[in-house]
Amino acid sequence: AQRVTQPEKLLSVFKGAPVELKCNYSYSGSPELFWYVQYSRQRLQLLLRHISRESIKGFTADLNKGETSFHLKKPFAQEEDSAMYYCALNGTGANSKLTFGKGITLSVRP
Amino acid sequence: EADIYQTPRYLVIGTGKKITLECSQTMGHDKMYWYQQDPGMELHLIHYSYGVNSTEKGDLSSESTVSRIRTEHFPLTLESARPSHTSQYLCASSRQMKETQYFGPGTRLLVL
Repeated sequence: AQRVTQPEKLLSVFKGAPVELKCNYSYSGSPELFWYVQYSRQRLQLLLRHISRESIKGFTADLNKGETSFHLKKPFAQEEDSAMYYCALNGTGANSKLTFGKGITLSVRP
Repeated sequence: EADIYQTPRYLVIGTGKKITLECSQTMGHDKMYWYQQDPGMELHLIHYSYGVNSTEKGDLSSESTVSRIRTEHFPLTLESARPSHTSQYLCASSRQMKETQYFGPGTRLLVL
């Protein structure tokens, strides 16, 4: 069984502060990990996926297989980063389905 | 423009009514999905489809049913709505099962 755990429900920081949104997973094989984001009044959308190894909107996430984690980080938060963030996992099977975590609300204060 | 659409966006309905939530996509995707999401909670996959005439149940048991007669259309039906069905329903599509999913705006359902 595959599982995604986001241990915190809310993270509130001041503008310019570093951000780390935690995500841990449980999966026996080699998973594919994603971060999805939902801004206020917008639909859920992909932020980044680990295989791309990209930095999107200043966010990065590194897959740590030893710690089974995929934490999302940004060195300097902006007010427009305020949103709901979901970590998600896809397994290795061709027809594997996406499993989402419960999500975390990031609030960036001015 | 390629997009994924859901109608209605909001629905308030009485117990026992039959409802159909519409989902259409012009992305050219074969794979489509329905998720149920309660406020502040995770998304639960309730149905998915590999393509035309293919429907599968997801991880969360649901009393709803789906159909996939056309590639671009994936409606969800509740034969007899109950207050426990009150939730947000999100439709998504992807080119392949393991690729990025694109989400619709969602339908917020309230059953009185």
